[in-house]
Amino acid sequence: QVQLVESGGGVVQPGRSLRLSCAASGFTFSNYGMHWVRQAPGKGLEWVAIIWYDGSNKYYADSVKGRFTISRDNSKNTVYLQMDSLRAEDTALYYCARDYYDSRGHQAVDYWGQGTLVTVSS
Amino acid sequence: SYELTQPPSVSVSPGQTARITCSGDALPKKYAYWYQQKSGQAPVLVIYEDSKRPSGIPERFSGSSSGTMATLTISGAQVEDESDYYCYSADSSVNHGGVFGGGTKLTVL
Repeated sequence: QVQLVESGGGVVQPGRSLRLSCAASGFTFSNYGMHWVRQAPGKGLEWVAIIWYDGSNKYYADSVKGRFTISRDNSKNTVYLQMDSLRAEDTALYYCARDYYDSRGHQAVDYWGQGTLVTVSS
Repeated sequence: SYELTQPPSVSVSPGQTARITCSGDALPKKYAYWYQQKSGQAPVLVIYEDSKRPSGIPERFSGSSSGTMATLTISGAQVEDESDYYCYSADSSVNHGGVFGGGTKLTVL
């Protein structure tokens, strides 16, 4: 069965960096795009970033563009989220999720990990 | 930026039909997806491509879409269906990534 396990969350000061990891299993990782989605405490879901199955394309939400970088290592079945210049408003539970490429050529999410909590605070 | 609009809350009695709507200008061209999130848990996909149900999702969950509105219907809602529900569609401005609605708290009591 599909398993996605995030790690790397923690408490970090504003302006500092953090790298999240997501280890995937139960499917052929190199055949799927991957997303990061976040959820601030008590708030709704916010799409953050997507990376193509081969890493050739990456897209970001406007709120993180220029500060966050998504990457992957298909030899390790792992996707990463490098978060730089962190702000208090980046505080959230960060979910890794598998891409579903639909019949109209658009991306969605089918499977989710359990999330890793990032707290940005001085 | 593109937005999907959901009602903040819907309330039904057990056995009644619950309907949760999601409106967005791009929905005529983009599929709607629905996710259930129980308290303290990760979201789970319950409807994809407007009306398809993943394996393991009860038949009482169904979806439809017409024009700029998508609807999640739970026929004969159960107490265990009490959750937050989020719609999602691809962003209207680009063909990659997407947007979530603000979420709807479904109360079944």
